[in-house]
Amino acid sequence: QTVVTQEPSLTVSPGGTVTLTCASSTGAVTSSNSPNWFQQKPGQAPRALIYNTSNKHSWTPARFSGSLLGGKAALTLSGVQPEDEADYFCLLYSSGARVFGGGTKLTVL
Amino acid sequence: QVQLQESGPGLVKPSQTLSLTCTVSDGSISSGGYYWNWIRQHPGKGLEWIGYIYYRGTTYYNPSLRSRVAISVDTSKNQFSLRLTSVTAADTAFYYCARETLGVVTNFDYWGQGTLVTVSS
Repeated sequence: QTVVTQEPSLTVSPGGTVTLTCASSTGAVTSSNSPNWFQQKPGQAPRALIYNTSNKHSWTPARFSGSLLGGKAALTLSGVQPEDEADYFCLLYSSGARVFGGGTKLTVL
Repeated sequence: QVQLQESGPGLVKPSQTLSLTCTVSDGSISSGGYYWNWIRQHPGKGLEWIGYIYYRGTTYYNPSLRSRVAISVDTSKNQFSLRLTSVTAADTAFYYCARETLGVVTNFDYWGQGTLVTVSS
C-alpha cells in the first residue's frame, strides 16, 4: 500500500514563506494523484484548502498555493500569519484508494 | 452550505462492533455527484481514510480495514453509516465523515466535526 510522507514539523517566522511537501512511496507525485491539502487546528476537524494540486476552495486564503515540486506535491504559504499555525495534511489518490500523509506541524514563531 | 454530523456511542467494548452515523443537512445524498467518506484519526496522530459510499450503494474501502468495515447509506434519512467489527484498543480514534465532490476533478470539501470513539472494557 502507498505510503505518503510529509515533513513532521516546520517552523516559519510571521510574514515569511514556507513550503510543505508530500511524497509518495510509489514514485513521483503527479497531477493524476490529484493532491489535496487540509489544515487542522487543535480540537477542530480538518478543513480543506487545496484540491487537484493547485485549485483553491472559495474559503482558502490567497496566501496558500499548491503545486508539484521535484516529484512531490507542495503547499506554499506566503506571508505567513500567526493563525496559520496548525497541522497540515496532504491526501493522494492512489489506484482508487485515498491515502493521507502523516501531517506537518507548522509552528509560526 | 452542506453540513455533516457524526453520531453514535462514544464507548465500545473490545471485540464488539463500532457503529456510527453521519447525518447530512442542507444537501441531498441522493442528488449524486458525491462520495460520502469515513476518515479516522488516532489521538495526536495523522488521518486514515476508511472508505466511501455512493448514494446507489457502491463502496470502496481501505485495503487495511476491508475485512472489518462496512459502509451503508439510507437515502430516506439522508444518512450514511459506518460499521467496524471486532474492535480493539487500536480502533480508538476520532471518526469523521466527509463529502467528496466528484467531477472533472474530485475533492474533499466538507467535513463533520468528528466524534471520539474509545474502545475499552
